[in-house]
Amino acid sequence: NAGVTQTPKFQVLKTGQSMTLQCAQDMNHEYMSWYRQDPGMGLRLIHYSVGAGITDQGEVPNGYNVSRSTTEDFPLRLLSAAPSQTSVYFCASSSTTGSQPQHFGDGTRLSIL
Amino acid sequence: DAKTTQPPSMDCAEGRAANLPCNHSTISGNEYVYWYRQIHSQGPQYIIHGLKNNETNEMASLIITEDRKSSTLILPHATLRDTAVYYCIVRVASGYSTLTFGKGTMLLVSP
Repeated sequence: NAGVTQTPKFQVLKTGQSMTLQCAQDMNHEYMSWYRQDPGMGLRLIHYSVGAGITDQGEVPNGYNVSRSTTEDFPLRLLSAAPSQTSVYFCASSSTTGSQPQHFGDGTRLSIL
Repeated sequence: DAKTTQPPSMDCAEGRAANLPCNHSTISGNEYVYWYRQIHSQGPQYIIHGLKNNETNEMASLIITEDRKSSTLILPHATLRDTAVYYCIVRVASGYSTLTFGKGTMLLVSP
């Protein structure tokens, strides 16, 4: 079972560079989301999507863009990386039916120099 | 979503039951209690959830008080691999509601 797959697992960027963090799920889940986790802290929601073509902002959306062209994929874009975006990024997905739990990927560890 | 309160850390001997408490005194009638854990550097792992009845699965048991203002996650026979941060989250049972993570409880299982 693949579940939620995130790529890459590690990435180092220079300030000002752009990149896209990939997230794919094979469970036909409508809901997908991106979180970031800084050292010693809980996860904070960046953006989320309740279906293809629908996205919305979470708690900390500044500096990030998302799009949802398919049910399976939910990429997170950093247009101009800043050192403050150094973090571990997690993608999650879930069914929108009832109380189904969210399933998380293994994360992308991103360092901005 | 209602706020939760958890102790910052707990210790447990290997093979013993680990009982992790969570206070959610402002929980609403349509909110579920979810438990996740995060083993070092990995993504959060779903453990169990419930509305008002006690729940059990292959990983753990969830005991919710009758007034629903608190709950306890029970790992019946803790192992070293259960060392992790455990998060108690209260959330409306809607596919459109997000998870709000606090700081959780760091459970250390020792030999």
